[in-house]
Amino acid sequence: EVQLVESGGGVVQPGGSLRLSCAASGFTFDDYAMHWVRQAPGKGLEWVSLISGDGGSTYYADSVKGRFTISRDNSKNSLYLQMNSLRTEDTALYYCAKDSGYSGYYGMDVWGQGTTVTVSS
Amino acid sequence: QSVLTQPPSASGTPGQRVTISCSGSSSNIGSNTVNWYQQLPGTAPKLLIYSNNQRPSGVPDRFSGSKSGTSASLAISGLQSEDEADYYCAAWDDSLNHVVFGGGTKLTVL
Repeated sequence: EVQLVESGGGVVQPGGSLRLSCAASGFTFDDYAMHWVRQAPGKGLEWVSLISGDGGSTYYADSVKGRFTISRDNSKNSLYLQMNSLRTEDTALYYCAKDSGYSGYYGMDVWGQGTTVTVSS
Repeated sequence: QSVLTQPPSASGTPGQRVTISCSGSSSNIGSNTVNWYQQLPGTAPKLLIYSNNQRPSGVPDRFSGSKSGTSASLAISGLQSEDEADYYCAAWDDSLNHVVFGGGTKLTVL
């Protein structure tokens, strides 16, 4: 069964850091690009970041560029999001999603259940 | 303010046909394919339509997508109560160099 399981969410103060993880199973992880997408409470989906299958290409939303870093460890079938300088507006449910292609955006065909990040003093 | 524009809400009665629009620009919908996602209440999004008009395995043929110029549409025919959900369009934007989502459309089945 193809599955994505996020972890690492929690409550953090503004200016703090958090590292999210996403464990993948049921497919050849390094054959596919991966995304992080977030959803603030009661709001719509916001794309955050994309990484190619080999990790060589990364892309970020303007709202997180310079603060967040996406990475992957293909030997561990894992995706990560290092979040620094967190702001209250980063509060959201963070989803990990598999793309149907190796590099670039073709469609997010598998989604995890999400991990909640709350930035509050 | 989302790069892709969707109506915030749509509604229909069971059996009806409903259409949800998604308007963009030459840098996104005009030059790249559009995908649609369905998010049922309290659940993760699900890919509904990819490459403008293709359905993943398991998606009923009641759902269809189309694209013309810088706009795209999702049509749902034979509306059912279980179709009540939020629907999002998305595409790659060549100018921003990243994925852009529409603001989402909440579909209510009356």
